[in-house]
Amino acid sequence: SQELEQSPQSLIVQEGKNLTINCTSSKTLYGLYWYKQKYGEGLIFLMMLQKGGEEKSHEKITAKLDEKKQQSSLHITASQPSHAGIYLCGADISGNKLVFGAGTILRVKS
Amino acid sequence: DTAVSQTPKYLVTQMGNDKSIKCEQNLGHDTMYWYKQDSKKFLKIMFSYNNKELIINETVPNRFSPKSPDKAHLNLHINSLELGDSAVYFCASSQWVAQDTQYFGPGTRLTVL
Repeated sequence: SQELEQSPQSLIVQEGKNLTINCTSSKTLYGLYWYKQKYGEGLIFLMMLQKGGEEKSHEKITAKLDEKKQQSSLHITASQPSHAGIYLCGADISGNKLVFGAGTILRVKS
Repeated sequence: DTAVSQTPKYLVTQMGNDKSIKCEQNLGHDTMYWYKQDSKKFLKIMFSYNNKELIINETVPNRFSPKSPDKAHLNLHINSLELGDSAVYFCASSQWVAQDTQYFGPGTRLTVL
């Protein structure tokens, strides 16, 4: 079993709709990172969350880390085709390395 | 001005061959990593180096040998390539070992025939 569970595995939304991706761990997360990957490209860093209850936003993307620091959500408002890609959460669980979730494939229909 | 670069971008080779992938970062970071992303897009760490010293080796077969000639470079050499080595290999770097944002290269897609 994976240390980080992401849901859903894939998502198809109509342009303009909101969506949420979740990342859950059974262990305390000492740093939670969200990345976006486009096909054939590297990972683009989106946001890092460290404190329980922390919330950050960048353009139309908002990420939160729950108070217990075991779950994070990524919310996209008014999705656009440019948001399409694979979203990966990564977390520092053991203190010296990142483990990643399996990723969520997002498709946005025009 | 690319932050983390990898060469080559694509690598197609026969089973049994030996190949190398190179990685360079111009961010001034002390820590570099190699990750493997399999066909299901699952990304897993292989190695981590801090100041040219190996600090993480995630039970990777010893056919894989990383080499860090200096802090800005971390190369990956693979001996006796197998079909199961086909994957995308990503290099990354960060300033600190723990709790620090990692910046990724564009990846090298390795196909073993």
